[in-house]
Amino acid sequence: KNQVEQSPQSLIILEGKNCTLQCNYTVSPFSNLRWYKQDTGRGPVSLTIMTFSENTKSNGRYTATLDADTKQSSLHITASQLSDSASYICVVSDNTGTASKLTFGTGTRLQVTL
Amino acid sequence: NAGVMQNPRHLVRRRGQEARLRCSPMKGHSHVYWYRQLPEEGLKFMVYLQKENIIDESGMPKERFSAEFPKEGPSILRIQQVVRGDSAAYFCASSPWGHTNTGELFFGEGSRLTVL
Repeated sequence: KNQVEQSPQSLIILEGKNCTLQCNYTVSPFSNLRWYKQDTGRGPVSLTIMTFSENTKSNGRYTATLDADTKQSSLHITASQLSDSASYICVVSDNTGTASKLTFGTGTRLQVTL
Repeated sequence: NAGVMQNPRHLVRRRGQEARLRCSPMKGHSHVYWYRQLPEEGLKFMVYLQKENIIDESGMPKERFSAEFPKEGPSILRIQQVVRGDSAAYFCASSPWGHTNTGELFFGEGSRLTVL
């Protein structure tokens, strides 16, 4: 069964600090991995999409890494801001290429405080 | 260019009533996906539709749930005879392609259904 596990479940950091969120998956055959940001009460917004051949991808202060051999990904947030407070969801697609086969993690809830 | 529009944002129903959730995809998108998110859980796929066609409904409960995407107008997710377990956030997403290997999925803000 395809699964995506994220850690930690929740995290509190001070504004300006960095943090790293983890994602382990068992989806096979693998196609791509996405990170989404979901503000409370809002819909998910895409941060990055990485395919098998990509090891790292950045989007501003967000940098995602992918190790397809160990089936792990991380999302690193640099110089955190209060507006980074949200849930961060790891989503993995198998190679059927349809959105019906996306497997969603339960997310890491990040809170950035003063 | 307006994003994916969902309404209502919040809906309260009593057990046994019907709930209708609407989704207008982004302009130019003809592929619509519905997901359900229970508290503290990840999004779960329900159904994938193109205009006038249901492509994949493998995530839909066998009873009480139905979806459509007519030639004109929004996609509608219909839940008949709602029960408390139907309380959840229902998200719609759209894309311009059917295959999303690297394609972007754009989500709406969700419709939050509360069943009393």
